[in-house]
Amino acid sequence: DIQMTQSPSSLSASIGDRVTITCRASQDINNYLVWIQQKPGKAPKSLIYAASSLHSGVPSKFSGSGSGTDFTLTISSLQPEDYATYYCQQYKSYPITFGQGTRLEIK
Amino acid sequence: QVQLQESGPGLVKPSQTLSLTCNVPGGSISSSSLYWSWIRQPAGKGLEWIGRLYASGETNYNPSLKSRVTISLDTSKNQLSLNLNSVTAADTAVYFCVRGQQPTGLDSWGPGTLVTVSS
Repeated sequence: DIQMTQSPSSLSASIGDRVTITCRASQDINNYLVWIQQKPGKAPKSLIYAASSLHSGVPSKFSGSGSGTDFTLTISSLQPEDYATYYCQQYKSYPITFGQGTRLEIK
Repeated sequence: QVQLQESGPGLVKPSQTLSLTCNVPGGSISSSSLYWSWIRQPAGKGLEWIGRLYASGETNYNPSLKSRVTISLDTSKNQLSLNLNSVTAADTAVYFCVRGQQPTGLDSWGPGTLVTVSS
């Protein structure tokens, strides 16, 4: 199985801040990476696919980059609705695997 | 985005079979370009992929669950199904039905349904 490791596990940031979350795969996954947002008590929402492409309707404040084993999710100008847990997920090979999540909290 | 909706018993006894369905609107369940997955999340924990199914019948399962899980489609009812047998308390989780396709991967999630395994 491909292991996905996110850092940090939790992050405190202020309104208006820019934050970056990293995700590392245990082997090369090309760009078969999705970033997912989950708010408490809600279903996950896929934000970015193929490492850097935004799903329809996702604001451009979200951006993704990377290829191979190292990936980043950047959120610019944090707003209250951005506080959530973010997961990376690889779909290069089965089983599909997820990172452990990064909890983004208000400072 | 497609509106998926999971349903099924909220309580299952240990050793029994957990059975869930997911309603897929619009007939897209038969599309050869789409695949349908089940993913679960224990309370306060991360996401675990259970398996996926194409309309063609091609399936992939998580090896950790493969011996106990079956995912199937009923195209006449536009429904995806999950059966997980011999359940234990460790199978207590919110279960999500999720659509996937290339190149976007998993792109539409149902709201999820909580299943508790308890006697």
